[in-house]
Amino acid sequence: EVQLLESGGGLVQPGGSLRLSCAASGFTFRNYAMSWVRQAPGKGLEWVSGITGSGDGTYYADSVKGRFTISRDNSKSTLYLQMNSLRAEDTAMYWCILSGHWGQGTLVSVSS
Amino acid sequence: AIQMTQSPSSLSASVGDRVTITCRASQGIRNDLGWYQQRPGKAPKLLINAASTLLSGVPSRFSGSGSGTDFTLTISSLQPEDSATYYCLQDFNYPLTFGGGTKVEI
Repeated sequence: EVQLLESGGGLVQPGGSLRLSCAASGFTFRNYAMSWVRQAPGKGLEWVSGITGSGDGTYYADSVKGRFTISRDNSKSTLYLQMNSLRAEDTAMYWCILSGHWGQGTLVSVSS
Repeated sequence: AIQMTQSPSSLSASVGDRVTITCRASQGIRNDLGWYQQRPGKAPKLLINAASTLLSGVPSRFSGSGSGTDFTLTISSLQPEDSATYYCLQDFNYPLTFGGGTKVEI
């Protein structure tokens, strides 16, 4: 059974940084592209970033390009999202996803 | 980036009604489209992938159709538990893009 467990969310001041992690199990992690998706309070879903199975291809939404970095450690079956220069509009629930499988999410709040 | 235009943004219907939600892509995406259901406070749940493939365990009253630029999610006989927000997602290429969502009220 595919399991995805996000962590690392929390309250951070504008301009600050956070690193989200997603621990994966139940499948051969290195074989699959992964993505991060977020949802601001009361808003729709927004794809944030994606990475190929090998990690050699990374993709970003324009809203986070240059501030967020996606990466993965296939030896640890873990996906990461390094978030820098955080803004109030980055406040959202963040999920890692794999082909329709979603974790429980981790909440990021950016506020002074 | 491919734009996904979803309509309507909300609808109200009765139990037993047939409901149709559409997504239009700004360019052709073959059948690389999924439909998600999201209940309040929960993670989205994938109902249909590859535009028309119903996932295991999803009630057969849900169906999807379309290819290229125009896609449809149909609920053949609306049930109370179908009250949720529905999203389409294109995974034809990066950046992946969601439709704006359709809130279904019963």
